[in-house]
Amino acid sequence: ETGVTQSPTHLIKTRGQQVTLRCSSQSGHNTVSWYQQALGQGPQFIFQYYREEENGRGNFPPRFSGLQFPNYSSELNVNALELDDSALYLCASSLGRGTPKTQYFGPGTRLLVL
Amino acid sequence: GQQLNQSPQSMFIQEGEDVSMNCTSSSIFNTWLWYKQDPGEGPVLLIALYKAGELTSNGRLTAQFGITRKDSFLNISASIPSDVGIYFCAGRHTSYGKLTFGQGTILTVHP
Repeated sequence: ETGVTQSPTHLIKTRGQQVTLRCSSQSGHNTVSWYQQALGQGPQFIFQYYREEENGRGNFPPRFSGLQFPNYSSELNVNALELDDSALYLCASSLGRGTPKTQYFGPGTRLLVL
Repeated sequence: GQQLNQSPQSMFIQEGEDVSMNCTSSSIFNTWLWYKQDPGEGPVLLIALYKAGELTSNGRLTAQFGITRKDSFLNISASIPSDVGIYFCAGRHTSYGKLTFGQGTILTVHP
């Protein structure tokens, strides 16, 4: 077990709705990265937060937004949901923007958009 | 979005056999990583490679960082049933830690 938790584990939404996913990072970790993993694919980088500020973004539209809180937990918000947003959403926490050996993934939130 | 080319897509092997999978990219990476993902879980780091030409082992797993910095391979020796899962390669070439993943190799081990 990595110490990274995500909620909810599963979620069903309809097209056009908005969703908020949550991630609690491992104790002491100040960086959170979010990834989208479509079925049968590898994870795709959405963005990273370091000390409460966005610190890098992948090729995702602005309707994907995030927050990091003073306790370093994080939220991923997706507005105007589309069918293609159905995926497993993973967060990974690390100490600093730092080395992969300190980065741990959570179990993910599986989102289904109908 | 950009993804690495990982092959093979799937492998069906007998317990005790060796396994080899590889990953290629059109761009250079400073770090190559190999992960395993089990159902219902996030990826777990197996091996990290930081220098071109580096060969690193972790138990029965061995991985190499290609000289051109555009490829990597992972070998698993003497496979066992618990090796079943999806293996991903990932590359990193920015300091802030964005990872680019391959499509994954699904490994099935028959007892």
